[in-house]
Amino acid sequence: AQSVTQLGSHVSVSEGALVLLRCNYSSSVPPYLFWYVQYPNQGLQLLLKYTSAATLVKGINGFEAEFKKSETSFHLTKPSAHMSDAAEYFCAVGRPNAGGTSYGKLTFGQGTILTVHP
Amino acid sequence: KAGVTQTPRYLIKTRGQQVTLSCSPISGHRSVSWYQQTPGQGLQFLFEYFSETQRNKGNFPGRFSGRQFSNSRSEMNVSTLELGDSALYLCASSPGAWPLQETQYFGPGTRLLVL
Repeated sequence: AQSVTQLGSHVSVSEGALVLLRCNYSSSVPPYLFWYVQYPNQGLQLLLKYTSAATLVKGINGFEAEFKKSETSFHLTKPSAHMSDAAEYFCAVGRPNAGGTSYGKLTFGQGTILTVHP
Repeated sequence: KAGVTQTPRYLIKTRGQQVTLSCSPISGHRSVSWYQQTPGQGLQFLFEYFSETQRNKGNFPGRFSGRQFSNSRSEMNVSTLELGDSALYLCASSPGAWPLQETQYFGPGTRLLVL
């Protein structure tokens, strides 16, 4: 079974500092990987996705993530944090089942709440 | 394009009642997935529909059911509500089937409170 581990349920940074949110996955084959962000009382917004093209993926709002197969990691980074980045971030992995009859199932990590201090 | 819409946004029910939640996917999208989000369990997959067929189901009791209509709109139903069913229910839509570069786009969710 595939799983996703996000290291650190809470991350706090100062405005302007580097943001690093960690995600490790377990999967026997390269999966599709996603980062979503959730603001209070809202749904999930896609930040970026990895689909076996470039290993360095650029997303919206200045975020990027690097797929490292050897480390089974897909960490999310942003060079300079902004107050508006404060939210909860979810890493997710998706792939079809072996029979190819199941689609559209994402397995999520437990989430990381990002706090940005002025 | 309009995003994924979910109705109602908020709902209060009592134990033992049943509830139906609705999801309208992005125009042209044929796959709809449902997730339950709670503080304790996080985001958990409920089921996924594609072209009116359930393609995958998560580990939820049979009280949770869903369906998809020919216009791709989807509903999920929870019967005999329990306190533990209080959650944010999220619907996501995507264009079609793997191995296309599938991305799920989420709606704002329906927050269900069971008293």
